[in-house]
Amino acid sequence: EAQVTQNPRYLITVTGKKLTVTCSQNMNHEYMSWYRQDPGLGLRQIYYSMNVEVTDKGDVPEGYKVSRKEKRNFPLILESPSPNQTSLYFCASTPRQGSYEQYFGPGTRLTVT
Amino acid sequence: KQEVTQIPAALSVPEGENLVLNCSFTDSAIYNLQWFRQDPGKGLTSLLLIQSSQREQTSGRLNASLDKSSGRSTLYIAASQPGDSATYLCAVKYSSASKIIFGSGTRLSIRP
Repeated sequence: EAQVTQNPRYLITVTGKKLTVTCSQNMNHEYMSWYRQDPGLGLRQIYYSMNVEVTDKGDVPEGYKVSRKEKRNFPLILESPSPNQTSLYFCASTPRQGSYEQYFGPGTRLTVT
Repeated sequence: KQEVTQIPAALSVPEGENLVLNCSFTDSAIYNLQWFRQDPGKGLTSLLLIQSSQREQTSGRLNASLDKSSGRSTLYIAASQPGDSATYLCAVKYSSASKIIFGSGTRLSIRP
């Protein structure tokens, strides 16, 4: 089944403790991205990747890192999480940059205390 | 500034009614527009993708229209069912290389 998976689905952590949210897609998509969703603000793009080893900042990249060493994986790294990073995070992929449908993962709800 | 707006933020209608959800965008030079459905605690599911050269797309009971000159798109849902209850988001892309800009969504509730 074609899908985008994220792990963990739920995470509660404390300020400053490094964490990684994994994202994997099995559709051989080139383009992957991370979003955060906050009430009243909608979805905002954090980082995106057009292919292996090619990443770039989205609208709200501060406090986040990403890597794209393999085509299928696009982990989101929070080196020193802060409470303002409490949010619902989505990973998405699409075959290539351009006019294609985006496929979203199920989301990761992160709480930073 | 390129913005996408969805009004109302919430809508409740009785089962069986036809309804229209609205999406407006500030810059009419769009590349494509996509409608998504989001169920509570779940990810987004793509419903319809309209290219800038198209005026509408249909899938089952759903029909999405695009009017670039007025900066509007509508999602028409025919014969609504309780299972249609969800948040509906529209998202606009301004070029093949640009990011996607999302509206904040309309939370739809269909009353049995």
